[in-house]
Amino acid sequence: EAQVTQNPRYLITVTGKKLTVTCSQNMNHEYMSWYRQDPGLGLRQIYYSMNVEVTDKGDVPEGYKVSRKEKRNFPLILESPSPNQTSLYFCASSPYQGGEYLSYEQYFGPGTRLTVT
Amino acid sequence: GQNIDQPTEMTATEGAIVQINCTYQTSGFNGLFWYQQHAGEAPTFLSYNVLDGLEEKGRFSSFLSRSKGYSYLLLKELQMKDSASYLCAVIDSNYLLIWGAGTKLIIKP
Repeated sequence: EAQVTQNPRYLITVTGKKLTVTCSQNMNHEYMSWYRQDPGLGLRQIYYSMNVEVTDKGDVPEGYKVSRKEKRNFPLILESPSPNQTSLYFCASSPYQGGEYLSYEQYFGPGTRLTVT
Repeated sequence: GQNIDQPTEMTATEGAIVQINCTYQTSGFNGLFWYQQHAGEAPTFLSYNVLDGLEEKGRFSSFLSRSKGYSYLLLKELQMKDSASYLCAVIDSNYLLIWGAGTKLIIKP
């Protein structure tokens, strides 16, 4: 089954304790992205990756790191989490095709609800 | 700054038609998406518009006017399962996706 998986689905942690949220897709997609979703603010992009070893900042990259060593995996790292990073996080992937018009429907993972106390 | 406006909440009756509007001011335009998101779940793709006009897909249609910075999603023959949030997103000139806050649609019997 074609899918994007995220782990863990729920996480409660304390300020300053490093954590990693994993994301994996089995559709051979080039493009992967991380979002956070907060009430009233919609989805905000944290980082994205056009392909292996290529990552770029989105709208809200501060406090986050990513890596793309393999095409299928795109982990999100919080080196020193803070309470303002409490949010719902989504990983997404798409078959980025380039060209003048991009039509990259994104496939989202199920989400990770993170609480930092 | 970049901005996408959608109504926060709308209510409609089962079997009726509803139109959800989206206006945008972004640095450039390279396409517009509509996604559906049920509470507690991931967004799922509904439509993509890059040229002016209406795209129809079953009970759902999406319209785009680039000159007016305006789009709408039209849902016909509403069903209770259509109760969800509807997200509008625009690809800007840097090929970044800018998302609206979403419109929560409540369907009443």
